[in-house]
Amino acid sequence: KAGVTQTPRYLIKTRGQQVTLSCSPISGHRSVSWYQQTPGQGLQFLFEYFSETQRNKGNFPGRFSGRQFSNSRSEMNVSTLELGDSALYLCASSPGTAYNEQFFGPGTRLTVL
Amino acid sequence: QQQVKQSPQSLIVQKGGISIINCAYENTAFDYFPWYQQFPGKGPALLIAIRPDVSEKKEGRFTISFNKSAKQFSLHIMDSQPGDSATYFCAAVMGGGGNKLTFGTGTQLKVEL
Repeated sequence: KAGVTQTPRYLIKTRGQQVTLSCSPISGHRSVSWYQQTPGQGLQFLFEYFSETQRNKGNFPGRFSGRQFSNSRSEMNVSTLELGDSALYLCASSPGTAYNEQFFGPGTRLTVL
Repeated sequence: QQQVKQSPQSLIVQKGGISIINCAYENTAFDYFPWYQQFPGKGPALLIAIRPDVSEKKEGRFTISFNKSAKQFSLHIMDSQPGDSATYFCAAVMGGGGNKLTFGTGTQLKVEL
């Protein structure tokens, strides 16, 4: 089984721009979650989508949004980028029921200049 | 607000020794506690997980000890090997649906020869 794939792997943007990150979950998985990882704040939950519906949301501003498609692929969008948005953005997929293992992708490294 | 506290921040252990990482949580609604291992350039990977109805779980060289009354849990790595050198994160998931992981701050483990 192929693992979780994230594209692009690296991205450089400037302040004020917007960015879209993509995540393809493991085949058959219906839940996709997004996390932001930074040296200062560690791993922080952004949101989770299950069967195209947002099931959980973290404490991030509205500039961070996401969606999930009928094939379970997910995209995350960040608008009006700020320097502090520079981070590794990780996507995790799971079957979606309780206590299932979440499988993480390699992440997208976003640098905001 | 840090809901899962993790210590130590870094740890150096000799090959063959025991590595111990501790975590504490505040919210009693958490009912699933996984540990993740992350190597540089990779996403976190599930190592071992426990639910509060058991006090200990062992998988190979890795053991989780769980103290529900103290709201603490710990990871023990027996016979630590250089290949175990990585960053370890404890996490907690709230019961009631959803896969939102609340992570600890991480422990950088280095196993020396």
